[in-house]
Amino acid sequence: DGGITQSPKYLFRKEGQNVTLSCEQNLNHDAMYWYRQDPGQGLRLIYYSQIVNDFQKGDIAEGYSVSREKKESFPLTVTSAQKNPTAFYLCASSMRTGGVNIQYFGAGTRLSVL
Amino acid sequence: EDQVTQSPEALRLQEGESSSLNCSYTVSGLRGLFWYRQDPGKGPEFLFTLYSAGEEKEKERLKATLTKKESFLHITAPKPEDSATYLCAVQELGGAQKLVFGQGTRLTINP
Repeated sequence: DGGITQSPKYLFRKEGQNVTLSCEQNLNHDAMYWYRQDPGQGLRLIYYSQIVNDFQKGDIAEGYSVSREKKESFPLTVTSAQKNPTAFYLCASSMRTGGVNIQYFGAGTRLSVL
Repeated sequence: EDQVTQSPEALRLQEGESSSLNCSYTVSGLRGLFWYRQDPGKGPEFLFTLYSAGEEKEKERLKATLTKKESFLHITAPKPEDSATYLCAVQELGGAQKLVFGQGTRLTINP
């Protein structure tokens, strides 16, 4: 069954701690994305990757880091430099084409600070 | 800078009461406009892509339309299961393949 799997569903971070959110896709998509969603707000782009071993900063990249070592995987690390990490994090993927880019989303990870 | 504004922020309807959600956008050139549905605590689910002014797409009780400056999501005779947040997003021509999202409209259908 093809799709995007995010884990864990819930995550708690202690002060000064780095945490990593997992995102795996088996859709054979080239591009992958990370978004942050705060209550009552739309999705804001953190990082995106259009090909393995390459990624670009989105609109709110400060305090986050990513890697793209495999096509299927795009983990997001929330570092201690991110002072307000509590949010709903969404991973998406899309086929990299020259035209319109439909993004498909995982079920999300809710991160809270202890 | 690309901007997407959705209105209203929240809408409460009775079952069977038709209405429309609005998405206004500002981009230098539109590659595509997207509508998604998001249920509480879940990821957005893709509904439609619109490419050019005058285009319309339908799915069950939903119909999306597009002009040069805005898109409407029309909901005809809604049912309680249509309750969700509806998100609009745009992709710009020539830029990286990323989407700019509006803040969403939270729709509640009362039985």
